[in-house]
Amino acid sequence: AQSVTQLGSHVSVSEGALVLLRCNYSSSVPPYLFWYVQYPNQGLQLLLKYTTGATLVKGINGFEAEFKKSETSFHLTKPSAHMSDAAEYFCAVTHGNQFYFGTGTSLTVIP
Amino acid sequence: KAGVTQTPRYLIKTRGQQVTLSCSPISGHRSVSWYQQTPGQGLQFLFEYFSETQRNKGNFPGRFSGRQFSNSRSEMNVSTLELGDSALYLCASSLGGLRDTQYFGPGTRLTVL
Repeated sequence: AQSVTQLGSHVSVSEGALVLLRCNYSSSVPPYLFWYVQYPNQGLQLLLKYTTGATLVKGINGFEAEFKKSETSFHLTKPSAHMSDAAEYFCAVTHGNQFYFGTGTSLTVIP
Repeated sequence: KAGVTQTPRYLIKTRGQQVTLSCSPISGHRSVSWYQQTPGQGLQFLFEYFSETQRNKGNFPGRFSGRQFSNSRSEMNVSTLELGDSALYLCASSLGGLRDTQYFGPGTRLTVL
């Protein structure tokens, strides 16, 4: 069965510091990979997605992620954290006829 | 373009009752998916409808059902409500399905007493 693992349910970074949110998936076949963000009391918004092709994917708000097949990882990064980045981040994968979310990582940005 | 809308935004029901939630997708989107979000289980995929047909289904009991109309609007029904059904129910629409970008609505907060 497909699964998505997000390491670290809570991550704190200082404003201006690097943001790194980790995501690993389990699949023998590369799936379609996504990162979504959820702000308090709101629905989810797509940050970026990987389908095929270039393994470094750029998304909105300065975020990017790199698909590493050998490590089955799709970590999310942002060079410089902003206060507005504080939110819940979800890695997700679709494979076959299912859609799986990770358990989420809550990002706190410290001024 | 208007976003995905869900009604109602909040619902309170008692055990044993049934409930119907509504989702209006972005104009032109033919796929509507439903998700349940709880603190304990996180985000879980319920099902996906495309052009009025259920195309994919998650691992939920038959008490959870849905349908999609010709205008792509979708409804989700939960029968014989249990306390554990208390959750935020999110719907999302996309052009082609689960591999496409999904646009999420704000959700319906269901509380079962």
